[in-house]
Amino acid sequence: EAGVAQSPRYKIIEKRQSVAFWCNPISGHATLYWYQQILGQGPKLLIQFQNNGVVDDSQLPKDRFSAERLKGVDSTLKIQPAKLEDSAVYLCASSLDKGVEQYFGPGTRLTVT
Amino acid sequence: GDSVTQMEGPVTLSEEAFLTINCTYTATGYPSLFWYVQYPGEGLQLLLKATKADDKGSNKGFEATYRKETTSFHLEKGSVQVSDSAVYFCALSDHRGFQKLVFGTGTRLLVSP
Repeated sequence: EAGVAQSPRYKIIEKRQSVAFWCNPISGHATLYWYQQILGQGPKLLIQFQNNGVVDDSQLPKDRFSAERLKGVDSTLKIQPAKLEDSAVYLCASSLDKGVEQYFGPGTRLTVT
Repeated sequence: GDSVTQMEGPVTLSEEAFLTINCTYTATGYPSLFWYVQYPGEGLQLLLKATKADDKGSNKGFEATYRKETTSFHLEKGSVQVSDSAVYFCALSDHRGFQKLVFGTGTRLLVSP
């Protein structure tokens, strides 16, 4: 079966610009996660969706980050405006349901200059 | 809050050497414990897991035992191969709420022929 797809794989922007990342989870997976992985650190959960509803966005910087999962399938994560400290790899993961194995995409590497 | 501490890398070994990567955790309650692996250019993959004390997770020659008394989940392999070169992440999920993953900082393993 196809894995979790993410695009773009790489993105370079200047600070104060906006950027969007796209994720297509494994077909039939109800739960979708966005993680931020800063260089030298482990992934940190930003937001978790169950179908098209948000169940945990406690670590999402809501003043600049937003995410949506229309129709409970693919998802978009947006940063506006970007800061230097947003440079990281953004990982998308999905699972059949909450609390079971998560499958990760390859990530999008963002560099903010 | 919950946290995971891993030994810093890189860990450099020759092929067929014995591998240990230390992982300790802090959590309230009784978390599930995981090891994820990230090969170059790929997404995180679940390597093994253990859901209760004294459980041993194993996969591809790797093993880890859930030790509640020492709050540890050390990863071991008896004979590493060049193809095991990757970054290894220890993680936990609690049994409350939606069981989000909390990751350690990762340990890079480099195996030379």
